[in-house]
Amino acid sequence: GNSVTQMEGPVTLSEEAFLTINCTYTATGYPSLFWYVQYPGEGLQLLLKATKADDKGSNKGFEATYRKETTSFHLEKGSVQVSDSAVYFCALSSGDNFNKFYFGSGTKLNVKP
Amino acid sequence: NAGVTQTPKFRILKIGQSMTLQCTQDMNHNYMYWYRQDPGMGLKLIYYSVGAGITDKGEVPNGYNVSRSTTEDFPLRLELAAPSQTSVYFCASNDRRNTIYFGEGSWLTVV
Repeated sequence: GNSVTQMEGPVTLSEEAFLTINCTYTATGYPSLFWYVQYPGEGLQLLLKATKADDKGSNKGFEATYRKETTSFHLEKGSVQVSDSAVYFCALSSGDNFNKFYFGSGTKLNVKP
Repeated sequence: NAGVTQTPKFRILKIGQSMTLQCTQDMNHNYMYWYRQDPGMGLKLIYYSVGAGITDKGEVPNGYNVSRSTTEDFPLRLELAAPSQTSVYFCASNDRRNTIYFGEGSWLTVV
């Protein structure tokens, strides 16, 4: 079946620290992979995506590379800011049905000044 | 630039009451979804629709019903509210280019 596993939070970092949030998946077919971000009191917003193996998605200084050999899509940012404090969700849409999405449990990031 | 609009944003229900969460999108998307998000948890799919007149169950459909009479609207009905349905509900739609768009959420408390 299809599922997403991501590291548990919360993750607490100081401003300008390096961020990694791990995400691994199981999927049938050839999934597309996503990172969504949820700011307090808001809905989820697409942060970045990758649709095939070795693709790198990037946005707002965040990056993630689709690694088929390790079934991973880890989120990274070189220097976090206080405004990056949010909950981050890894997700996939299954290769055999691109209109069904599966989400991880979310990782809360707290960035301290 | 409305996107996906949900109402109400907050609601308190008594056990056994019924209500409908409204969802409308103005992007002409065929695919629409309802998810729930329990505190500290990820999203679970309740129901989804691939077009007007077509709906299907997701992971956690018990206690809910949906209808899709138009492309724009996808209401979610709770018939007999239970405390276990206290959650945040998100409506979403898909543009078939593999990106899902979310509404801002509806916070529901059943007491």
